[in-house]
Order: sequence, then structure tokens, then C-alpha cells
Amino acid sequence: QSALTQPPSASGSPGQSVTISCTGTSSDVGGYNFVTWYQQHPGKAPKLMIYEVSERPSGVPDRFSGSKSGNTASLTVSGLQAEDEADYYCSSYAGSNNYVFGTGTKVTVL
Amino acid sequence: QVQLQESGPGLVKPSETLSLTCAVSGYSITSGYSWAWIRQPPGKGLEWIGSIYHSGSTYHNPSLKSRVTMSVDTSKNQFSLRLTSVTAADTAVYYCARHPTVNPSFDLWGQGTLVTVSS
Repeated sequence: QSALTQPPSASGSPGQSVTISCTGTSSDVGGYNFVTWYQQHPGKAPKLMIYEVSERPSGVPDRFSGSKSGNTASLTVSGLQAEDEADYYCSSYAGSNNYVFGTGTKVTVL
Repeated sequence: QVQLQESGPGLVKPSETLSLTCAVSGYSITSGYSWAWIRQPPGKGLEWIGSIYHSGSTYHNPSLKSRVTMSVDTSKNQFSLRLTSVTAADTAVYYCARHPTVNPSFDLWGQGTLVTVSS
């Protein structure tokens, strides 16, 4: 299984929106509604931000939203804040009890 | 409050076995969740290593072939990872995580532990 493809970087000014894509195949992203997104600040453990494509765990701001179309999932961060500057990783169930992560996107708040 | 804490040697020699333990506090490890190991080489992305389900079944990343063994110690409320025949490519921060399988995700993570493979 190959890593899901994400853009290396994305950026936006405070208050703006940024969208990160996550492209896989019909064997992972396109085949299941089990896409998750994680936020990772430098030197810290990842934090779950979105599960099942678009569901937010308790405590995650509604500025974070997820969607999927075909083999590509997306994470949108609206109303960018300084603390949103971090690395973001997508992940997907890939069948047969396997999971695959994305290549990661560094989000910069300008 | 549920917490996970990894522990184990920070340095392992090439060809030897990497062994890590994840202690779970604030929650009984037998109460229904599954558990996972994920790693991150320095400066690189995340890689799922494998998961041990509540049923006791284990599944691992096919890329790691048969080098991975995972187990649960209910008496100590912890679970473990063994990775055999390590090389420099196995140098990474290793994370343990809680793995809900009803809503598949890794919803709670340990702080991670750096394991370096070097002679």
C-alpha cells in the first residue's frame, strides 16, 4: 500500500480558509468512508481532528471540516488562527484491517 | 483521564529486536478498544505499524512483513510491540495509540519515544 498524496505545504492569512487535499485510490480513500485527519505541532504527538470523513471529535473547533469526493478527501480550516500552524496528516482504512497515512502537509499562517 | 505512555530502549543495534511497551492509565485495556502502534522517522511522515484488536487478533503493515509482533498484558494494563531484525530505516519516534474500530481512527496518542538503530 502506498502513502496517500498530500501537497507538501499550504498557507493562508489569519481569518482566511485553507484546504488540504488527500488523494488515494479506490482501495482506500475511495472505497471507504473511514478517512481521518490529524494535526501535529512540532515535537508533539498527532491529535485527531476529523474521523469518518467529516465527523469532529468532542473539543475540536467547528472551523475544521472534512469532505470526500471519489478518491480524494479534503480538510478545510476556516477562520485560520495562529495556533492552526502545524503539520496535517490524512489517513484511510485500506481494507483487510490495514491503514495508510498521507504524506503530510505543513500549514503556515502568514 | 485516559493516558498512554511508551517505554523502552532508546538505542537498538542493527539486526537486533526493538521492544516497546505502552502503559495505559485511566482505562482498562480489556474494556473494548483496540490498540495500535504508529511510527514517524525523523523529519518524515507517519506510518501505521499495526493494531491489536480487542478480540486478540493482530494486523500489521504488509511492508513490515513478518517482523512485527504485538501483544497485550492485561495484568499490567499495557500492550507491547516487538520488531525484529531492525535496520537504520527503523529509526523513528514510535507512538502507541488507542484505536476505536467502530469509528476507525487513532483517537488518543502517547507522547512518543525515539528509537535509534545504530551500532
